[in-house]
Amino acid sequence: SQQGEEDPQALSIQEGENATMNCSYKTSINNLQWYRQNSGRGLVHLILIRSNEREKHSGRLRVTLDTSKKSSSLLITASRAADTASYFCATFKAAGNKLTFGGGTRVLVKP
Amino acid sequence: DVKVTQSSRYLVKRTGEKVFLECVQDMDHENMFWYRQDPGLGLRLIYFSYDVKMKEKGDIPEGYSVSREKKERFSLILESASTNQTSMYLCASNGQYNQPQHFGDGTRLSIL
Repeated sequence: SQQGEEDPQALSIQEGENATMNCSYKTSINNLQWYRQNSGRGLVHLILIRSNEREKHSGRLRVTLDTSKKSSSLLITASRAADTASYFCATFKAAGNKLTFGGGTRVLVKP
Repeated sequence: DVKVTQSSRYLVKRTGEKVFLECVQDMDHENMFWYRQDPGLGLRLIYFSYDVKMKEKGDIPEGYSVSREKKERFSLILESASTNQTSMYLCASNGQYNQPQHFGDGTRLSIL
């Protein structure tokens, strides 16, 4: 199974509301990364959080990491229609030198 | 800004054909990656390369090969295309393994 598993698989909210999605993983990691993918396009990196960090912010994005629970969350505050996209978490382990992606959360922000 | 360019956005090929997908990056990155993306399965790593002429198998290398003759270019080769290789293919690069990857816009490949 995937190292990172996002929850929920899909999310529909109104513009202005907050959107929260979660990512769980199974083994220890060096860092966890969140990406966004607009329909039919490539992935765009949003935030990287290291294993010794608990929270990071970037604009309207807030990421938390709980290594004891092996989980992370991505919060988008005051969502906009332009935030409509799929969001993926990806875990990096130094052994193997590669990212492992989850299945993603599809977010629909209705105007 | 890093730019990763994939040569085709859409490609239609026939079963048994040899298919080449090309990827070029302009940031002198050491590492390059090929993924395929399928609904419900997320991104799966096919092959990656950490230097010219070097390659490593990812999680699903069967039916694929790669070529990296120049640092900026990483090619994915389907030796004999099959219908189960119909997918979205994404190329990515980064300078260090633990850093974010920069993705191209993908090639949607259909094998008929």
